[in-house]
Amino acid sequence: GAGVSQSPRYKVAKRGQDVALRCDPISGHVSLFWYQQALGQGPEFLTYFQNEAQLDKSGLPSDRFFAERPEGSVSTLKIQRTQQEDSAVYLCASSLARVEGYTFGSGTRLTVV
Amino acid sequence: KQEVTQIPAALSVPEGENLVLNCSFTDSAIYNLQWFRQDPGKGLTSLLLIQSSQREQTSGRLNASLDKSSGRSTLYIAASQPGDSATYLCAASSATDKLIFGTGTRLQVFP
Repeated sequence: GAGVSQSPRYKVAKRGQDVALRCDPISGHVSLFWYQQALGQGPEFLTYFQNEAQLDKSGLPSDRFFAERPEGSVSTLKIQRTQQEDSAVYLCASSLARVEGYTFGSGTRLTVV
Repeated sequence: KQEVTQIPAALSVPEGENLVLNCSFTDSAIYNLQWFRQDPGKGLTSLLLIQSSQREQTSGRLNASLDKSSGRSTLYIAASQPGDSATYLCAASSATDKLIFGTGTRLQVFP
């Protein structure tokens, strides 16, 4: 596609509910990243894939967070048993090569009530 | 551990002014540095990408410089317009590929 596509655009979840956020990167982009952005803050790294391999998941805040990219294209970020502190914008980015920089999607705004 | 700081946190200026936004980073071993713009409720739009071997990049009214030795990057906006109002974020790319972001500068340009 022409850009990085994320869905849903907005998600309201009741506390304790599981959610799944989808990222469709630019076609052919090898690297895919997930970031979490709290209100008024810069994005914080969550996890990184190169093709289907998850090379770094050091930013995932707890074992309730899980990400996958089984075929090396679309990625899903899953949050189990959501809590209020999970409320944030979740941004996905993809890159063909680091020398070319990163392209971000519009994000998914998650609100846990 | 890389830390990125942006100053000022907020800036409000009249239309037509030339602006300087500052970004500093603690670890000079960066691969590149990227400036982004973020409009309220939106994702990030890439503005300029500076490789570690470069000193500056220009796009239209925007110019970004990079000084690795001092751990600084500057985004210069010439002849600011109300449409430039947004949050500007800088991010340093580390050896591990991930971007480390600053907290941003919130810019408002009023007519």
